[in-house]
Amino acid sequence: GAVVSQHPSRVICKSGTSVKIECRSLDFQATTMFWYRQFPKQSLMLMATSNEGSKATYEQGVEKDKFLINHASLTLSTLTVTSAHPEDSSFYICSATGTSGSRGQFFGPGTRLTVL
Amino acid sequence: SQQGEEDPQALSIQEGENATMNCSYKTSINNLQWYRQNSGRGLVHLILIRSNEREKHSGRLRVTLDTSKKSSSLLITASRAADTASYFCATDRVGTYKYIFGTGTRLKVLA
Repeated sequence: GAVVSQHPSRVICKSGTSVKIECRSLDFQATTMFWYRQFPKQSLMLMATSNEGSKATYEQGVEKDKFLINHASLTLSTLTVTSAHPEDSSFYICSATGTSGSRGQFFGPGTRLTVL
Repeated sequence: SQQGEEDPQALSIQEGENATMNCSYKTSINNLQWYRQNSGRGLVHLILIRSNEREKHSGRLRVTLDTSKKSSSLLITASRAADTASYFCATDRVGTYKYIFGTGTRLKVLA
């Protein structure tokens, strides 16, 4: 099956700093990537959809200036949490879909962000 | 909220028993997928069922889909302690590839 990687897998940072998370599709071209956030014991909530070469589409209630998404190539999308605060501590998961979309989505292993 | 709902929220069974989880969603879909997530870990894809399919099997897993009721069920037969995890359904709305997750079912299989 298709492989999606995320880096880093775990990050701890101080309040006020910015953190960048990378999501890569390793063996296919991902025309669309998605970013999800998951708080403890809760489900995944879709944050935004990014298409290669265009601006991301954010879900209602997600601050686009807080969560910067860049999808510069067909294999890489990045999520930058700017001026992170403790309430941003969460598990961030990306997923990618290929050109047809009919194969479903392929999820990365997730990045656990802890903001002190 | 667009989020689908799953029931039960939590399920505790003995090893060897069957576990059934249900998922309801709100819009017309292309596909529905079931995922497993062990505590603190990433998602493991279990099964994808398309909107024109009614039932699908994979090993000990059986998934049904009723698009008229906008619902799906996941049956795990002969459960094992290793099946202990959270299970989520995810649906993509017609016209998008955007998947929305259900609230999840936490399954505990007791040895």
